[in-house]
Amino acid sequence: KAGVTQTPRYLIKTRGQQVTLSCSPISGHRSVSWYQQTPGQGLQFLFEYFSETQRNKGNFPGRFSGRQFSNSRSEMNVSTLELGDSALYLCASSLIFGNGEKLFFGSGTQLSVL
Amino acid sequence: QQQVKQSPQSLIVQKGGISIINCAYENTAFDYFPWYQQFPGKGPALLIAIRPDVSEKKEGRFTISFNKSAKQFSLHIMDSQPGDSATYFCAALDQNSGYALNFGKGTSLLVTP
Repeated sequence: KAGVTQTPRYLIKTRGQQVTLSCSPISGHRSVSWYQQTPGQGLQFLFEYFSETQRNKGNFPGRFSGRQFSNSRSEMNVSTLELGDSALYLCASSLIFGNGEKLFFGSGTQLSVL
Repeated sequence: QQQVKQSPQSLIVQKGGISIINCAYENTAFDYFPWYQQFPGKGPALLIAIRPDVSEKKEGRFTISFNKSAKQFSLHIMDSQPGDSATYFCAALDQNSGYALNFGKGTSLLVTP
């Protein structure tokens, strides 16, 4: 079956703009997590959604938000972009909520903020 | 604050050699320790994982060694191949919280022919 699909693959934005990233989980998976990957900090947890509700949130400012739709697809939004938001944003899906053991990652969206 | 410390940052190994990547943690609540492999342009993929009730787990050429008292674990890649060239991340999970993997910063492995 198809894996986790993230769109777009690449984005270039300027400071102050906002951006929306999309993630389609593996069919049947109901939990979607988002991670930020940077060379300096590695992978850091942003938040997890299950049944259209944010269940857990990492230590990121409120400019980072997300949502999940009834078909389990998820979007992540970053408002008022800063240079430091340049990163690879990874989406991961799992069958059930809170199952950090069975995460399947997408290929990510590479965001560059100029 | 990085809860899992990984070393080295980069590693060059000759084909057929042994690649060793080390990780250390402080939080004794961690009870699941996976390793992820990431190729350029791809997301991380689970490679192998261990729980603290065993000291070693082997899957093919990949072995995790786990030292609970020292709060350290390592990945050994035996007979390293050029196709193993990738970035490797160790991680740790507190299953009571269940949701957020704590990743190391990654090791870029290059296996030369």
